[in-house]
Amino acid sequence: EVQLLESGGGLVQRGGSLRLSCEASGFTLSNSAMTWVRQAPGKGLEWVSFISDITDNTYYADSVKGRFTISRDSSKNTLYLQMNSLRAEDTAVYYCARNVDYGLGSYYMAYWGQGALVTVSS
Amino acid sequence: DIQMTQSPSSVSASVGDSVTITCRANQGIRNWLAWFQQKPGEAPKLLIYGATTLQSGVPSRFSGSASGTDFTLTISSLQPEDFATYYCQQAYSFPCTFGLGTRLEIQ
Repeated sequence: EVQLLESGGGLVQRGGSLRLSCEASGFTLSNSAMTWVRQAPGKGLEWVSFISDITDNTYYADSVKGRFTISRDSSKNTLYLQMNSLRAEDTAVYYCARNVDYGLGSYYMAYWGQGALVTVSS
Repeated sequence: DIQMTQSPSSVSASVGDSVTITCRANQGIRNWLAWFQQKPGEAPKLLIYGATTLQSGVPSRFSGSASGTDFTLTISSLQPEDFATYYCQQAYSFPCTFGLGTRLEIQ
């Protein structure tokens, strides 16, 4: 059974840093494309970052580019999101998701963690 | 970036009704579109991918269709558990943008 467990959320001051972790089980993380998605309180979903399955290519939303870094540790089967220079507008629940290639030409976020709340105080 | 325009932002319906939610992309996305359902306090759940393919385990009352850059999610014979917020998301190019969501409420 695929499971994703986020951790590392919490309260941080504006300008500070935080690292989110997403521990995967039931599959091999290094063979999977993964995504981080966030949701500000009472708002919709916002795509944040993606890491590809084979080449480890990374992509970011403009709102976090240069401040956030997605990475993974295959030995720990864990995905990370390093967040630096945090702003009030980064306050959100952060979800990690496993992307699945169904052979239709793209990846889709089929499995999600429960989310980790990040609060940036000003 | 590709913009996804989702409508309506909210809709009220009764159990047994049928509802349709629409998403329009501002450029071609080759049907690389997903629909998600989210209930309060829960993570989103993938319902449909490739614009029309039902995810395993999702009831057949959910269906997706596509015509050019216009996509629809139809829920027929609404059940109490279907009242939630629905999002479309394009998987064609980065950033993989979401629509703003449609809140489906009980009438």
